[in-house]
Amino acid sequence: AQKITQTQPGMFVQEKEAVTLDCTYDTSDQSYGLFWYKQPSSGEMIFLIYQGSYDEQNATEGRYSLNFQKARKSANLVISASQLGDSAMYFCAMSETSYDKVIFGPGTSLSVIP
Amino acid sequence: DTGVSQDPRHKITKRGQNVTFRCDPISEHNRLYWYRQTLGQGPEFLTYFQNEAQLEKSRLLSDRFSAERPKGSFSTLEIQRTEQGDSAMYLCASSLTGNNEKLFFGSGTQLSVL
Repeated sequence: AQKITQTQPGMFVQEKEAVTLDCTYDTSDQSYGLFWYKQPSSGEMIFLIYQGSYDEQNATEGRYSLNFQKARKSANLVISASQLGDSAMYFCAMSETSYDKVIFGPGTSLSVIP
Repeated sequence: DTGVSQDPRHKITKRGQNVTFRCDPISEHNRLYWYRQTLGQGPEFLTYFQNEAQLEKSRLLSDRFSAERPKGSFSTLEIQRTEQGDSAMYLCASSLTGNNEKLFFGSGTQLSVL
């Protein structure tokens, strides 16, 4: 069964604007971790941000913030003040405590328009 | 910290041949993961190790795939009797238990089966 859903195959955003990339997940565990990774056209996977299921506050890392809504099982990534270098694939990922392995969603392609 | 390294970067082989890839994780990382990624898709979990123990292998993975991490350091992924459907990018990642499973990825091995 699909554990992580990213419903936006592609997104466009104007430079300097904010953009939200959606992610919903499915788990029966109470303890789990949520991640976002960036993959530019060069191919390397870059860790962006982490949110633990018991963290009370939404995670932030510079221009990245994670809008965590536990009851809705969503973990949306918000990128503020988009830059041309933000154009990339973005993957939502999850680790479940009972299994620990990290699984990835299908990704969203973000294009920043000058 | 020299990062995760993978060898080779590219491999072209004929259908039916065996191939082996190597991954050297970050030295202090005890977990090592293998993923497979095709164009436009998210990384697909194949298997992962904690030290030398293989904790899980994807049920979707054919018996033609085998991975080892004999001394808890580097790992090898072997594909026997390659098929054209095996063509993909094979990604290795490592992490440190207790570090929220933050993964550090290598540059990958691009396999093309002719």
